[in-house]
Amino acid sequence: SQQGEEDPQALSIQEGENATMNCSYKTSINNLQWYRQNSGRGLVHLILIRSNEREKHSGRLRVTLDTSKKSSSLLITASRAADTASYFCATDGGKSSGDKLTFGTGTRLAVRP
Amino acid sequence: EPEVTQTPSHQVTQMGQEVILRCVPISNHLYFYWYRQILGQKVEFLVSFYNNEISEKSEIFDDQFSVERPDGSNFTLKIRSTKLEDSAMYFCASTGGAFGLGEQYFGPGTRLTVT
Repeated sequence: SQQGEEDPQALSIQEGENATMNCSYKTSINNLQWYRQNSGRGLVHLILIRSNEREKHSGRLRVTLDTSKKSSSLLITASRAADTASYFCATDGGKSSGDKLTFGTGTRLAVRP
Repeated sequence: EPEVTQTPSHQVTQMGQEVILRCVPISNHLYFYWYRQILGQKVEFLVSFYNNEISEKSEIFDDQFSVERPDGSNFTLKIRSTKLEDSAMYFCASTGGAFGLGEQYFGPGTRLTVT
């Protein structure tokens, strides 16, 4: 598998349910970031988790990071129709500064009203 | 809230023409990036820029591509002779912090269509 792969590729849930997306990566990292992209639009930064952190919260978002398994998960609680979008994880390569991001293939989330 | 801006939002050009995509990164950021996303595919890194020079570039970033920070605010990507396969969404990003290890914020993108 490639650096930064999400699963599932697509997820359809009912409004109010929770959505969980997973990301796996291969190399050492300093940070892992999650982004949202509405169809054909820009990338919106959601949350950054550092390699020495295990869990982070921001509003309805909860991100976990397991560096031993090289995996992360994004949980969106109490989903809304407006959460419909593609979600990407992005990892840096562990360089000391200004490192590029490697993006995963993304999870397409559809929230049904 | 500060944000990365990009112009134009959509650019249509003929094969072989030169295009310049413009970006204004967040004002106190020091590291700048260009990425692209071909329709339906992953976001791919093109180039990073720090202290007025390229820090790293990908295999995609060949001699047809160049970047410039012509003044204190703009950051440009030039494609000298566009090909059909250059059609993609191009994103500019920037990050601040002492070592560039913070969040990378992306602009809204420029959709480049090469005909």
